[in-house]
Amino acid sequence: AQSVSQHNHHVILSEAASLELGCNYSYGGTVNLFWYVQYPGQHLQLLLKYFSGDPLVKGIKGFEAEFIKSKFSFNLRKPSVQWSDTAEYFCAVFSGGYNKLIFGAGTRLAVHP
Amino acid sequence: KAGVTQTPRYLIKTRGQQVTLSCSPISGHRSVSWYQQTPGQGLQFLFEYFSETQRNKGNFPGRFSGRQFSNSRSEMNVSTLELGDSALYLCASSLASRDTGELFFGEGSRLTVL
Repeated sequence: AQSVSQHNHHVILSEAASLELGCNYSYGGTVNLFWYVQYPGQHLQLLLKYFSGDPLVKGIKGFEAEFIKSKFSFNLRKPSVQWSDTAEYFCAVFSGGYNKLIFGAGTRLAVHP
Repeated sequence: KAGVTQTPRYLIKTRGQQVTLSCSPISGHRSVSWYQQTPGQGLQFLFEYFSETQRNKGNFPGRFSGRQFSNSRSEMNVSTLELGDSALYLCASSLASRDTGELFFGEGSRLTVL
């Protein structure tokens, strides 16, 4: 069965620190990859997506992610976090074979000023 | 452009009751998906509807059901509520002219079962 693993459940950083959140998936076929973010009290919203092409994708608010096919990974990065990045981050995978979006368990990020 | 609208936002029910949640997708979006979000299980896929037809279903018991209307609005129903059904129920819509997995989420309906 298709699954998505996020390496960290809770991450605490100080402002200006660098961020990397790990995501691995298990599916051998073609996939579309996503990172969604849920800010406190807000709805889940798309941060960035990868369908094909350049494996390094850039999203909103300075976030980027790199797709490494050989490692089945899609890690999220940001060079310098801000207090406003405090949120829960979800990695998600979509494949035509399963025809549904599968989410990882999420990573709660807390950024301290 | 209005986003995905879910009603009610909050509700409290007791065990054994049933509940109906409503979702209005973004205008022009024809696919509606439902997810259950809990602290322990995360986001779990319930089902997806397109043009009034259920196209995909997750691993939930038959107490969970849904439907979609001709205007793409969707409802989900949970019968014989159990304590474990307490969760945030999220609706998401997409254009679905070709499935890509990109979804637009509503704010959710938070159900508490006592």
